[in-house]
Amino acid sequence: DVKVTQSSRYLVKRTGEKVFLECVQDMDHENMFWYRQDPGLGLRLIYFSYDVKMKEKGDIPEGYSVSREKKERFSLILESASTNQTSMYLCASRNGGLEEKLFFGSGTQLSVL
Amino acid sequence: SQQGEEDPQALSIQEGENATMNCSYKTSINNLQWYRQNSGRGLVHLILIRSNEREKHSGRLRVTLDTSKKSSSLLITASRAADTASYFCAPSGNTPLVFGKGTRLSVIA
Repeated sequence: DVKVTQSSRYLVKRTGEKVFLECVQDMDHENMFWYRQDPGLGLRLIYFSYDVKMKEKGDIPEGYSVSREKKERFSLILESASTNQTSMYLCASRNGGLEEKLFFGSGTQLSVL
Repeated sequence: SQQGEEDPQALSIQEGENATMNCSYKTSINNLQWYRQNSGRGLVHLILIRSNEREKHSGRLRVTLDTSKKSSSLLITASRAADTASYFCAPSGNTPLVFGKGTRLSVIA
């Protein structure tokens, strides 16, 4: 089975800190995605990548950046964490193609104090 | 990007009953996918229905798609307490999958 691993299940950071959320998939998937999920707002797409060193903005990219130096790893970076970035962050991957399903990690619950 | 809207927002049923959730969307699609999320976890893919299909079954799941009405429904038959979760639809075109707020299903034993 495909495994998508997010580095931390829970994370607590201070306002202004630089935060790295790591995601690794083990099935050679081409596409990777970062979402955040907030109560009452559902899942929102932050950034995605269709290939190594490629990145595209999603619906809410402000305050975030990403890095994809290797095919299996997609990192989400909060340059200067703010309290409104407290959220559940979900990473997902899939093969290229419109009928491919997404495989999700277990999520990282980030609290910014 | 496309987004589906699930209805109802919440649904509470007794074990053994059927649960029906609906999804509406606004643009043309290639397929529509349904996902499930247990509390505090990632989403898990349940089923995909192509735009040229009207109905699809997988175990206790039945999905219908009406492209003329831009709507889909997910039916879970003979529900179990373990079906308690949030369910999301994801209309798929040529853009990344986006998700709505989901339907929270509670199955009471």
